[in-house]
Amino acid sequence: DAGITQSPRHKVTETGTPVTLRCHQTENHRYMYWYRQDPGHGLRLIHYSYGVKDTDKGEVSDGYSVSRSKTEDFLLTLESATSSQTSVYFCAIRRTSGPGGNEQFFGPGTRLTVL
Amino acid sequence: GENVEQHPSTLSVQEGDSAVIKCTYSDSASNYFPWYKQELGKGPQLIIDIRSNVGEKKDQRIAVTLNKTAKHFSLHITETQPEDSAVYFCAAQGGYQKVTFGTGTKLQVIP
Repeated sequence: DAGITQSPRHKVTETGTPVTLRCHQTENHRYMYWYRQDPGHGLRLIHYSYGVKDTDKGEVSDGYSVSRSKTEDFLLTLESATSSQTSVYFCAIRRTSGPGGNEQFFGPGTRLTVL
Repeated sequence: GENVEQHPSTLSVQEGDSAVIKCTYSDSASNYFPWYKQELGKGPQLIIDIRSNVGEKKDQRIAVTLNKTAKHFSLHITETQPEDSAVYFCAAQGGYQKVTFGTGTKLQVIP
């Protein structure tokens, strides 16, 4: 499982409230990603990070911000949650060593409901 | 950007039969094509991948083929078993580590 944990695993919140999701890894991987998963859309990239304090936008970044102050933690923040952000959120790391060097490994996910 | 289409969206097969899932991609610069299996309530798990300099790769009952000219790749599962039931995602990766996923195929293996 590449040592990835996500917290919380489930959250229910109200429209307009801020929400922060945490991804923690134990293997010092440089690349980390946040995806959302919705029926009919598969997994869509929100933001990614290629090092401490180095982040960039994915295809569905509006309404989301990220921070990475330590290698092991990648935070996803919804500044003011909306119902359209109800989704399952997955964090992933990319393993750059070994025979492949491209594989992404996913965390267990966080189910977020915005009422 | 990259666009990945995946078919079918659902697939039912009898135990022991083969299952084939097909994907197409749009960006000729994509060079890495992983396949993921996702079981209910869990994150996607990498099951096999293929690079653009390879046409076919096999790992026990699963195989992936890639046709770069036509920009399509396929997942083949032989001798399906009930534990193969899951949602399968194809993906394409090109520039700067961005991976674009297909919309998923729900595979049901009927005992």
